[in-house]
Amino acid sequence: AQRVTQPEKLLSVFKGAPVELKCNYSYSGSPELFWYVQYSRQRLQLLLRHISRESIKGFTADLNKGETSFHLKKPFAQEEDSAMYYCALLSSGSARQLTFGSGTQLTVLP
Amino acid sequence: KAGVTQTPRYLIKTRGQQVTLSCSPISGHRSVSWYQQTPGQGLQFLFEYFSETQRNKGNFPGRFSGRQFSNSRSEMNVSTLELGDSALYLCASSVSGTGNTEAFFGQGTRLTVV
Repeated sequence: AQRVTQPEKLLSVFKGAPVELKCNYSYSGSPELFWYVQYSRQRLQLLLRHISRESIKGFTADLNKGETSFHLKKPFAQEEDSAMYYCALLSSGSARQLTFGSGTQLTVLP
Repeated sequence: KAGVTQTPRYLIKTRGQQVTLSCSPISGHRSVSWYQQTPGQGLQFLFEYFSETQRNKGNFPGRFSGRQFSNSRSEMNVSTLELGDSALYLCASSVSGTGNTEAFFGQGTRLTVV
């Protein structure tokens, strides 16, 4: 069975400070990992996916298979980054299922 | 391009009743997945439909069922409602649900069981 763990329910940082949202996963196959974000009163939306190796809104995430982690990082947090962040794993094979972590509420303080 | 549309946005039902939620995916998307979101359990996968067939199912009781129509619109049904079914129900659509495709979420239907 697959599992995604986000150990921090709440995370607060000051504007301009670096931020790291942790995500660890458990999966026996080859995972596809994603970060989804939900801003206040908006729908859940994709932030980035590991396979694209892209930077979105200054955020990056590197898949570390050895540590089974996919932490989300940004060097300089902005107030508009305040949101709920979910790490998600898409299983491989014919029965593909997106499993979400419990989410981390990020607050960037002025 | 219209996004994923879920109706109704809010519902209040009584224990024991049944409810049907609707999801209209983005045009051209053939995969629709449903999730239950609660403060205690977070986002939990219910099931996924592709081309009118249920392709995958999460660990929910048989009271939770769904279907998909030929136009890819999907409905989710919950029978014999329990208080614990109160949640935000989200649906997400993607082109195929396989490969590296993005899932687009609707605004959700907030179900309250009293």
